[in-house]
Amino acid sequence: SAVISQKPSRDICQRGTSLTIQCQVDSQVTMMFWYRQQPGQSLTLIATANQGSEATYESGFVIDKFPISRPNLTFSTLTVSNMSPEDSSIYLCSVDRELSTDTQYFGPGTRLTVL
Amino acid sequence: GNSVTQMEGPVTLSEEAFLTINCTYTATGYPSLFWYVQYPGEGLQLLLKATKADDKGSNKGFEATYRKETTSFHLEKGSVQVSDSAVYFCALTNTGGFKTIFGAGTRLFVKA
Repeated sequence: SAVISQKPSRDICQRGTSLTIQCQVDSQVTMMFWYRQQPGQSLTLIATANQGSEATYESGFVIDKFPISRPNLTFSTLTVSNMSPEDSSIYLCSVDRELSTDTQYFGPGTRLTVL
Repeated sequence: GNSVTQMEGPVTLSEEAFLTINCTYTATGYPSLFWYVQYPGEGLQLLLKATKADDKGSNKGFEATYRKETTSFHLEKGSVQVSDSAVYFCALTNTGGFKTIFGAGTRLFVKA
């Protein structure tokens, strides 16, 4: 398995500001994923972050709003830019630790509230 | 496209009751199927998985069997505990892919 930590665990932010969420893994992984879980909803994939290349964004998500960095094989950041109350969600980092079984491991999440 | 459909919640049960949470899927090829659990205030944890037809995944008393003929992966537990109260997500990943598709989640409340 993989141990994943996220910072911050929660934050309350003002409209129009930006927040950067950090994800740290205890071992090197090829692929890291960022998900959004809106209140009472399921998980929606925002983007896939590979080290050494630009992130791949899913339909409905753009780099200007959710810039992602992946400087090495154990770390990634997701920035939520120019926030609005609609961005209030839990943001989850995930890694694909066992490539042969497609199993994903998730961080504890960052609970974001935008006022 | 690929999709996962779960029974709507919340599901409220008394302790020691039998649990079934239905999950059906639509996918091309031969997906792997998963159940993840999210306890209050925590991230998702893998509960069990099955990678091919007729496989049974099991963990912590929970079971689910990969039924290709009915495209289903229903979660069952014979006797639930209060500590099983959580949100349960059915999910799939398709052949050769790393993108996981999640169902909407089913919230389970177990009363003492």
